[in-house]
Formats: sequence, C-alpha cells, structure tokens
Amino acid sequence: SQTIHQWPATLVQPVGSPLSLECTVEGTSNPNLYWYRQAAGRGLQLLFYSIGIGQISSEVPQNLSASRPQDRQFILSSKKLLLSDSGFYLCAWRSGRVNTEAFFGQGTRLTVV
Amino acid sequence: AQSVTQPDIHITVSEGASLELRCNYSYGATPYLFWYVQSPGQGLQLLLKYFSGDTLVQGIKGFEAEFKRSQSSFNLRKPSVHWSDAAEYFCAVAAGNFNKFYFGSGTKLNVKP
Repeated sequence: SQTIHQWPATLVQPVGSPLSLECTVEGTSNPNLYWYRQAAGRGLQLLFYSIGIGQISSEVPQNLSASRPQDRQFILSSKKLLLSDSGFYLCAWRSGRVNTEAFFGQGTRLTVV
Repeated sequence: AQSVTQPDIHITVSEGASLELRCNYSYGATPYLFWYVQSPGQGLQLLLKYFSGDTLVQGIKGFEAEFKRSQSSFNLRKPSVHWSDAAEYFCAVAAGNFNKFYFGSGTKLNVKP
C-alpha cells in the first residue's frame, strides 16, 4: 500500500533562517506531488505541484521554492524565512490518473519567530 | 479560473440533528469533486468523491453528497450528527487537466451536546 511521510512534525525557526521540509511517498511511482499551506482561517492554499522529476509549477509568488530531486521526494525550501511563512504545511500525492483523490501527510507546523 | 467556495466558515449543530455543508465550484468542464475532513493538527481524510454517474454519492462515516450541475454545487450531508464529527471540512476540485487540486476555505463544524 502507499504511504506518505512528511517531516518534521513541528518546527520553530527564527526570521531570516533557511527552511527545508521533506516529503516522501512509498508504494507508488510517478505520483503527482503537492505542497499546501494552511494559515489560520484561510483554508488550504496550493503552493506548488509537480507531475514529474524536476517539473515544478508554482501557484502563487512567494518566499518559498520547491524541488523534486527524485520521483517520490518533494522538498519545500526557503533561503530566508519571513514571519508570514508561519503556518501548517501539508504534502500530498495523487496518482497520475485523472479520477483519483489526493492523499495527505500529517503536516508540519512551522512557526517563524 | 477554477475555484471552490464554501460560504459557511463556522456551523454549530446539536448532536443528533441533520447537517448540510455547502460547496460551490467554478469550472468549465465536468469537475471531479471531493470532500475531506481534518481533525485539529492532523492531515486530511477523504470522505467521498464524485467523478461521474450517479449524482448522489455515499461516503464514509455516514456522509453523503449530491452533485447538482445546474447549481454548480456539491453539498455534504449527514442525517444525524455525532459529537465525533466536530472537525473542519473541506471541499476540493481537480482541475487544469486534473493535475491541479484546489480546496475551499473550509467549514468548521461544532457539535453541541
């Protein structure tokens, strides 16, 4: 069966520090991968999605970037964190077939101080 | 552009009462629609999904949803709410050649004893 791992679960980082959140998927190949941010009272905002290695699409301009160095690995990064980057970050994967749902990791609570 | 709207930010119902959570979508073609539930600090769990065919779909935990093309809606219902249903509920749509996966802003459900 497929599983998705996201870490760390919680993270407190100072303003201006770098960020690296990692997400890996097991039990499937060539998944679509997604990063979402959930800010308080603002729902789930799609940040990046990827349909293959090295193929990253950004949904909104921001202080973050994403990379997909391997088929089942998706990394969310920042060179210098801002206070506004605080939030709950969720990684998700979907099969490449159209009629499938997304499966989510347990999320990372990022607090920038 | 594709979008999902959940007009109710908070809803409070009494335990045993019926529930309906609203979801409206904006998408040119036939959408793929989903409902997810999120417990505090957790990832998202799929409740049900609609791709085609019967417009009334059944999900887990006694939930159902009805797709109404004429109203661009996909409302979630449950005939009798349990205290354990208190959570945040998200409607989602697959769009953009189905690689993108967008969520509404969510509805927080409180259940009164």
